[in-house]
Amino acid sequence: ELKVEQNPLFLSMQEGKNYTIYCNYSTTSDRLYWYRQDPGKSLESLFVLLSNGAVKQEGRLMASLDTKARLSTLHITAAVHDLSATYFCAVDISGGSNYKLTFGKGTLLTVNP
Amino acid sequence: NAGVTQTPKFRVLKTGQSMTLLCAQDMNHEYMYWYRQDPGMGLRLIHYSVGEGTTAKGEVPDGYNVSRLKKQNFLLGLESAAPSQTSVYFCASRPLARETQYFGPGTRLLVL
Repeated sequence: ELKVEQNPLFLSMQEGKNYTIYCNYSTTSDRLYWYRQDPGKSLESLFVLLSNGAVKQEGRLMASLDTKARLSTLHITAAVHDLSATYFCAVDISGGSNYKLTFGKGTLLTVNP
Repeated sequence: NAGVTQTPKFRVLKTGQSMTLLCAQDMNHEYMYWYRQDPGMGLRLIHYSVGEGTTAKGEVPDGYNVSRLKKQNFLLGLESAAPSQTSVYFCASRPLARETQYFGPGTRLLVL
């Protein structure tokens, strides 16, 4: 059974600081996804990582994937209040056949002034 | 394009009642998915479809049925609602050529 664990589950940051969210998974996969969810809203796709060593960046967020360690990181640089949201990682172990995703529990990020 | 839409947005049911949630997408996507989201949990896959006329079970299928008679629609049915099915339900779709799943706005269901 695939397990996807995110750390931390709750993160309170000050504006301007850097931090990293970790996503560990228990079964071999080379497909990992990051989503953002604002309170009461739907999920928005942030990054799709499809190979070992993949790195993607968008604004103050950067995601990376290490398939050998079964680990993905979401790094936040110089946080701003607008980044406050819940961040989910999700893993696909179907090998690209039906693209079923298993989600972590999410990391609730609060950025304080 | 409207993207992925869900009907209704909110519903209150009594235990034992039945209902159907509708997911519609106008992007001609092959794959469609139903998830549920509970407080403190990530999303859990209920059922999914890899094309018109096909459905398959996900992680938590018990108590739910689905149908995909038309490519653009994916219906989720609750035959006899239970309080444990109180949740937010999200539908998602995905095209063949892209990796990203696109999510609908969600349906909040309360079973009393």
